[in-house]
Amino acid sequence: SSELTQDPAVSVALGQTVRITCQGDSLRSYFPSWYQQKPGQAPMLVLYGENIRPSGISDRFSGSRSGNTASLTITGSQAEDEADYYCNSRDSSGHHLVFGGGTKLTVL
Amino acid sequence: EVQLVESGGGLIQPGGSLRLSCAASGFAVYSDYMTWVRQAPGKGLDWVSIIYSGGSTYYADSVKGRFTISRDISRNTVYLQMNNLRAEDTAMYYCARDLAGTRGDAFDIWGQGTVVTVSA
Repeated sequence: SSELTQDPAVSVALGQTVRITCQGDSLRSYFPSWYQQKPGQAPMLVLYGENIRPSGISDRFSGSRSGNTASLTITGSQAEDEADYYCNSRDSSGHHLVFGGGTKLTVL
Repeated sequence: EVQLVESGGGLIQPGGSLRLSCAASGFAVYSDYMTWVRQAPGKGLDWVSIIYSGGSTYYADSVKGRFTISRDISRNTVYLQMNNLRAEDTAMYYCARDLAGTRGDAFDIWGQGTVVTVSA
């Protein structure tokens, strides 16, 4: 399968922990990457590989992968974490990339 | 400063052509994988094409045969030639650098995007 499936929307109370998931068969073979996008802005890489944060990304962001499911976990959610989050990986061919449909995170 | 700047978007009639440019600074486009990603209004991210450091190119099925990705080393610029444009190609087009490696893909640098509108 070349699809990555995400929940369309997730909410979390301020200061609490939230997990955003991404499912797809290709995740058994390829690492995911995760992107945060705020309205009117370009996406921003927040996590990639096994659990690698680019410079400047808060350590409140962490990742994991098990079987066909990858997760992005945000601990101690802040108001500025409210955004759309997208996962990305390769498809089964290994040469095409695919994005999940995105998860809109609301911080209450 | 490492950055990408896209240009070339605009309003085009169905069946027309456009060439998008992505000018890089702070790194060499030939030394990394470079990719194009688009986002239709109100929709999610949609991968379009990639060019490897070695020059191999790959396309999403939705654009294969109509779009061509290329690069000019002397200008340190990546291009997306878009032919036979359709209404469904209307989107913000972003270019990004892909730190592809053993840890998978990672689009770490993004441009600000350029808007393509396909309409009669």
